Amino acid sequence: DVKVTQSSRYLVKRTGEKVFLECVQDMDHENMFWYRQDPGLGLRLIYFSYDVKMKEKGDIPEGYSVSREKKERFSLILESASTNQTSMYLCASSTPTGAGQYFGPGTRLTVT
Amino acid sequence: AQSVTQLDSQVPVFEEAPVELRCNYSSSVSVYLFWYVQYPNQGLQLLLKYLSGSTLVKGINGFEAEFNKSQTSFHLRKPSVHISDTAEYFCAVLPAHQAGTALIFGKGTTLSVSS
Repeated sequence: DVKVTQSSRYLVKRTGEKVFLECVQDMDHENMFWYRQDPGLGLRLIYFSYDVKMKEKGDIPEGYSVSREKKERFSLILESASTNQTSMYLCASSTPTGAGQYFGPGTRLTVT
Repeated sequence: AQSVTQLDSQVPVFEEAPVELRCNYSSSVSVYLFWYVQYPNQGLQLLLKYLSGSTLVKGINGFEAEFNKSQTSFHLRKPSVHISDTAEYFCAVLPAHQAGTALIFGKGTTLSVSS
């Protein structure tokens, strides 16, 4: 069974902290994605990566960075967390021919 | 650029009733189309997808969707819903020539099934 896992289901951090969200996939997929989900806004793309050490900005990259040192792992970094980054974060992966993405269970981050 | 509009933000129905969740898209190029379901506090699960071929696509849990190119729609249907179908449903589009890139999602439709 294919799997995308995320390091935490729930996370509470303080304003100004550096936050790492980890995502691992076991399908040998080249492409990986980070989305943010907010009520009434659907899913918005933060960053995606199509290869190790390669990254592309999505629609809302401000305040975030990413790291992809290994094919199976894609990390989202909040350099200095702010309350407006309280949200659900979803990781996904796909092959280059795409035709659908596989999603992790999500991390619900609360910044206080 | 592509966009997706889910025409209803909330759809309340009674158990065993039929349901249709509406999705329209905008694109000047060929697209792939998807429906995902999200149960409370979970990630997204693929319900079905249209890549090519038959315009009627059958998915998991008894759902189906019909691709209508002339109306640029991809509505999701189920003839008889269960309480367990209560969830949020997302329609998404992907340009066919950019198949490995990110999906473009609608804002979601919350389906609430009551007895």
